[in-house]
Amino acid sequence: SQTIHQWPATLVQPVGSPLSLECTVEGTSNPNLYWYRQAAGRGLQLLFYSVGIGQISSEVPQNLSASRPQDRQFILSSKKLLLSDSGFYLCAWSSPRGVGTQYFGPGTRLLVL
Amino acid sequence: RKEVEQDPGPFNVPEGATVAFNCTYSNSASQSFFWYRQDCRKEPKLLMSVYSSGNEDGRFTAQLNRASQYISLLIRDSKLSDSATYLCVVNPDAGNMLTFGGGTRLMVKP
Repeated sequence: SQTIHQWPATLVQPVGSPLSLECTVEGTSNPNLYWYRQAAGRGLQLLFYSVGIGQISSEVPQNLSASRPQDRQFILSSKKLLLSDSGFYLCAWSSPRGVGTQYFGPGTRLLVL
Repeated sequence: RKEVEQDPGPFNVPEGATVAFNCTYSNSASQSFFWYRQDCRKEPKLLMSVYSSGNEDGRFTAQLNRASQYISLLIRDSKLSDSATYLCVVNPDAGNMLTFGGGTRLMVKP
C-alpha cells in the first residue's frame, strides 16, 4: 500500500531563517506531488505541484520554492522565512492515471517568529 | 464567485441527528467530486467519492446534481466522532488539480 511521510512534524523558526521541508512517498511510481499551505482557520492553498522529476509548477508567487530530486521525493524550501509563512504545510500525492484523488501526508506545522 | 463554495458552519447537532451539507461549484464541466474529512490539526482524508448516481457508505450518503451544480453529503445517526470539518472537492477538468472548498465544520454534541 502507498504511504506518504513528511518531516519535521512541527517547526519553530525565526524570521529570515531558511526552510527545508521534506515529503516522501512509498508504494507507488511516478506520482503527481503537491505542496499545500493551510493558514489557521483557512482553506487549502496550492503552492506547487509536480508531474515528474525536475518538473515543478508554481501556483502562487512567493518566497518559497520546490524541488523534486527523486521520483518520490518532494522538497519545499525558502531562503528567508517571513512571518506570513506560518501555517500548516501539507504534501499530497495522486496517481497520474486516476481521477485526481489526492492523499495527504500528516503535515508540518510551521511557526515563524 | 468562488469555484467551490461551502457554508463554513459550524453545524451544531445532537448525537443521533441527521445532518446535511451542500456545496456548489462554478465549473459546469467538472469531472469528479469528493468529500474529504479534516480533523482539528490533522491532514484531510478522503471520505468518499461522489458518483453521478449517488452513493452510500454506511451512515454517509453523497449526491451529485449536475444540473444545479451542487454536491451534498448526508450523515445519519451522527456520532461524536463525526465532529470534524468536511471539505467539498472538485476536479474541474479531469486533470491533476483539485479545487477545495473552504470546509464545513460539524460539531456533534452529546
